[in-house]
Amino acid sequence: QVQLVDSGGGVVQPGRSLRLSCAASGFTFSTYSMHWVRQAPGKGLEWVAVISSDGNHDYYADSVKGRFTISRDNSKNTVYLQMNSLRAEDTAVYYCARETRDHETLWAFDYWGQGTLVTVSS
Amino acid sequence: QSALTQPASVSGSPGQSITISCTGTSSDVGGYKYVSWYQQHPGKAPKLTIYDVSNRPSGVSNRFSGSKSGNTASLTISGLQAEDEADYYCGSYTSSSTPYVFGTGTKVTVL
Repeated sequence: QVQLVDSGGGVVQPGRSLRLSCAASGFTFSTYSMHWVRQAPGKGLEWVAVISSDGNHDYYADSVKGRFTISRDNSKNTVYLQMNSLRAEDTAVYYCARETRDHETLWAFDYWGQGTLVTVSS
Repeated sequence: QSALTQPASVSGSPGQSITISCTGTSSDVGGYKYVSWYQQHPGKAPKLTIYDVSNRPSGVSNRFSGSKSGNTASLTISGLQAEDEADYYCGSYTSSSTPYVFGTGTKVTVL
């Protein structure tokens, strides 16, 4: 069965960095685009970033552009989110999510990780 | 890119039908087929309920249906059940510099 396991969250000071990981299993990881979505405490969903199946293309929300980098290692079935210059407003639960269809980007996310909480605070 | 506009709350009695609206612009909801809906129970990850405006993933009840007219998409839940009580979010591809945007979210209450 498809499984996504998010990890790497924690408490970090403003301006510091953190790297999140999402380990995938139960499907052919290398054929699916992968996304990161976040949710601040008590707030709505915010899309963060996407990476193509081959890792050659990535896109970001304006709110994180230039600070966050999404990457993937298809040999390890893992997608990453490198977060630099963290701000208080980046505090959220971060979810990785799988694109609905392989070899296509339908901008719909059919499987989600359990989420990992990132708290940016001094 | 601003979030798509949804009503803050919608309620209905068991067995009734309710509709949640999701209003955007011609740069997002109105311009593309890539509109999806997600159900989120408290403390849980979101669950895809509708994609491509009106398609249901396998395993999702046929009580959920989606549609679109102009710049507004809608999610209808028919035969409302207690388990449908949750937050619902729409989402759409956009032509702006941020390529995807979610809606503001709607809390569905089953009376």
